[in-house]
Amino acid sequence: GNSVTQMEGPVTLSEEAFLTINCTYTATGYPSLFWYVQYPGEGLQLLLKATKADDKGSNKGFEATYRKETTSFHLEKGSVQVSDSAVYFCALRSTDSWGKFQFGAGTQVVVTP
Amino acid sequence: NAGVTQTPKFRVLKTGQSMTLLCAQDMNHEYMYWYRQDPGMGLRLIHYSVGEGTTAKGEVPDGYNVSRLKKQNFLLGLESAAPSQTSVYFCASRDTRETQYFGPGTRLLVL
Repeated sequence: GNSVTQMEGPVTLSEEAFLTINCTYTATGYPSLFWYVQYPGEGLQLLLKATKADDKGSNKGFEATYRKETTSFHLEKGSVQVSDSAVYFCALRSTDSWGKFQFGAGTQVVVTP
Repeated sequence: NAGVTQTPKFRVLKTGQSMTLLCAQDMNHEYMYWYRQDPGMGLRLIHYSVGEGTTAKGEVPDGYNVSRLKKQNFLLGLESAAPSQTSVYFCASRDTRETQYFGPGTRLLVL
C-alpha cells in the first residue's frame, strides 16, 4: 500500500536559518503530493502541493519539488521565522478512484529568536 | 463562510459510553473525511465519504461508524468507547483541486 515517511523531529533552528524536512513516499503510479502545516491548537492547513513529476510547489517562502526518480518531496525554506514554528505533514493522494490521502507522522519545527 | 466546523471541541467519556461527533461544511464539497491524530503517528484515516449517502472504511475503522445523510454533514459515531479511542479527531472536506480543508478538531478522552 501507499506510505509516506518523513524525518523525525523536533527540528530546532535559530531564526533566519535554512530549513529542510525530508519526505519520501511509496505509491502506485504518480500520486499528488502535499505539505500541510499545523499550528498549535489548530487543524491542518494546506501549505503547498505538486500534482506531477518535476512540479515545484511554493507558498510563504516554502518550496518543494516532486522528484519521481527519488520518490521524494522535501520541504525547504531559506530563512525561517519564529512564526514558522509548527508541525509539518507530508501527504499523498492515491491515484485510485477513491483518492484517499496518506499522511506522514509529522515533523515538529521549533524556531528560536 | 464558516468552512469546516466540528462539535464538540472537547469531551470526556467513560468506557462503554457512546457519542457522536458532528462535522459540517458549507463549501458544497463532495468528499469528506474523518481522521484521528495520535502522537508520533500523524493522521490516520478512519472513514470517508465521496458523496451524500456513500461512505467507506479507511485505515482504522474498527470501533467507529459514520453517516452522511446530508451533503454538508458527516457524523462519526462511537458505539462503545474504549480508552484506545482517546485521541484528537479531525474532519476534513476536499475540493475539486484536491485541497483538503480541516476543522479545528475534537479532543476526546476516554476513561
